[in-house]
Amino acid sequence: DIQMTQSPSTLSASVGDRVTITCRASQSISSWLAWYQQKPGQAPKLLIYKASSLESGVPSRFSGSGSGTEFTLTISSLQPDDFATYYCQQYNSLWTFGQGTKVEIK
Amino acid sequence: QVQLQESGPGLVKPSGTLSLTCAVSGASISSGWWTWVRQPPGKGLEWVGEIYHSGSTNYNSSLKSRVTVSVDKSKTQFSLNLTSVTAADTAVYYCARGVQNWGQGTLVTVSS
Repeated sequence: DIQMTQSPSTLSASVGDRVTITCRASQSISSWLAWYQQKPGQAPKLLIYKASSLESGVPSRFSGSGSGTEFTLTISSLQPDDFATYYCQQYNSLWTFGQGTKVEIK
Repeated sequence: QVQLQESGPGLVKPSGTLSLTCAVSGASISSGWWTWVRQPPGKGLEWVGEIYHSGSTNYNSSLKSRVTVSVDKSKTQFSLNLTSVTAADTAVYYCARGVQNWGQGTLVTVSS
């Protein structure tokens, strides 16, 4: 099974900050990686698919990069609506999720 | 517009069977993979299993002996059965079609 290691688990930041979340796969997953945002009581919302493709309707301040085993999600300028938990997910071989990163207000 | 809606009992007794259905609209259930994911309260996301439209299935190895996913093409829905449940199976259960389309989720509590 492919394991996904996401870091950090918690991130404290201020509005306007540039934020980066990292996800590492235990083996190569090519670009079969998605990033989700989840708020309490809501289903996960797709932000990025195929490592760097922005889902329709998602603000351009979100971007994804990487391939193989190392991936990053970047929020260029954190907005109040962005305080949430973020998950990476590989879908190269079945599905596996990272442990999640909670983005908190500093 | 693809829509998925989970339904089923919100409360299941320990040692019983958890049964959920996902109703699909806006997409053909005769193509692609159909997936179940769960999330225990306050915890992360866990992939449960999936079914291809042809009937091929894959399951999480930690649940494999207890889980069955099936598809009903006539009703445009697919289902999840999880047997011998315990409190550890209490979670919000989501159905999904690929990474892009998810249901809103349904909470299932295992308790007597």
